[in-house]
Parts: sequence; C-alpha cells; structure tokens
Amino acid sequence: AQKVTQAQTEISVVEKEDVTLDCVYETRDTTYYLFWYKQPPSGELVFLIRRNSFDEQNEISGRYSWNFQKSTSSFNFTITASQVVDSAVYFCALTRDDKIIFGKGTRLHILP
Amino acid sequence: SQTIHQWPATLVQPVGSPLSLECTVEGTSNPNLYWYRQAAGRGLQLLFYSVGIGQISSEVPQNLSASRPQDRQFILSSKKLLLSDSGFYLCAWSTTLTGYINTEAFFGQGTRLTVV
Repeated sequence: AQKVTQAQTEISVVEKEDVTLDCVYETRDTTYYLFWYKQPPSGELVFLIRRNSFDEQNEISGRYSWNFQKSTSSFNFTITASQVVDSAVYFCALTRDDKIIFGKGTRLHILP
Repeated sequence: SQTIHQWPATLVQPVGSPLSLECTVEGTSNPNLYWYRQAAGRGLQLLFYSVGIGQISSEVPQNLSASRPQDRQFILSSKKLLLSDSGFYLCAWSTTLTGYINTEAFFGQGTRLTVV
C-alpha cells in the first residue's frame, strides 16, 4: 500500500528550540515526489518543498531543512530556532498515480 | 502567475439541502484538479480528482459528486447534505511533469461548511 505516516500527532516546544517533524512513506513507485505543507490557523495550505525521489540531497531554506533518506523511506523536516509564527499543522505528502496523498499531519505549538 | 479561487469561504446549510462549491484556476491550462475534505482536527481526505474535462475519479463513496465542465473549473455538489458532510473543503490544482507524475498541489483558501 502507498501511504504517508506522520507518527507525531502534536508537538510543543519552547521558542528558539529546534524541532524535527517525522515523515515515513510507503510506495511501490520508483519515481515519485514528496512534499511538505504548512497549514496555519487561517486554514490555507502553504506549499513548502518538493523533493524528487532521485535527489537525496538535503535541502536548507533559512531556518527550515529537510532530510530525505530513501533507505529508511523518510523525509523529515527540521525547524531551527523555532518561532511562534511556526505554530501550525504540518503535512507530508506523496504523489501516487494522478493523486497526491497526505499524512494526517503534525500540530506544532511553539510556546513563547 | 497561477491563481486558484474557491468560494464561498464559509457556508451554513441545513441537513437535506443541496450543495454547490466552485473552484476556478487561472494562469494555467489542463491542470489536475482535486477536492479534499478536512474534518475538524483531522488530516486531508482526497474526495475527487480530475485530469481533464469530464474526467472525474472518486476516492471515497459518499453522497457528494464532482464535475469539471470546463478545463479550469471544478465543482463539488451534493443533492442532500448530511451532518457528516460538515468540514473544511479544499480545492487544489497541480500539473504533470514528464507526462506521468504530479508536481505539488496548490490550494485554494477553503470553504468551511457546517451542516445543521
């Protein structure tokens, strides 16, 4: 079966701490994309990153970094020096055929 | 640039009433279109997706239906709403690279539906 698992339902950290959100996926495809989205309290989903299955190079964008490891089928997301504005629900997603399927999300609380 | 419009933003409907949510995309052609539903505090459930005009695939059997009358228009409908249809409905679009694999999806602002 093809699916995305985000085992952490909810995480709370104090501002300025680093936090890692886990994502494990299953797929029978050899070519696929993985994504991360942020859903702030307003509800709109904001696209953060796309990773091609052939590119395992880690990516850094400001305080955000992503670690993709095909050997463990994981695509983890780390926020460094977290800020209150990072509080949101974060979703990991995977392409499957013509569809994009999502994990159940991790609700992140950054405490001031 | 591409934009996606979804309306209305909020909707309160009585049980048994019909539903029509509309989504339009601008700035791209032949997009893949999606309807997702998010129940309160839950993840995203794919309801329907479409790869072309008149082509609708349903993921979950339910009393909802979808139509794509034009290339960049996607409509979610119901003849009779149930209480369980309450939720946050999101329309999204994506494109296909290399002929068979989707890029990321871009989402509308969502419709919060409350069935009373």
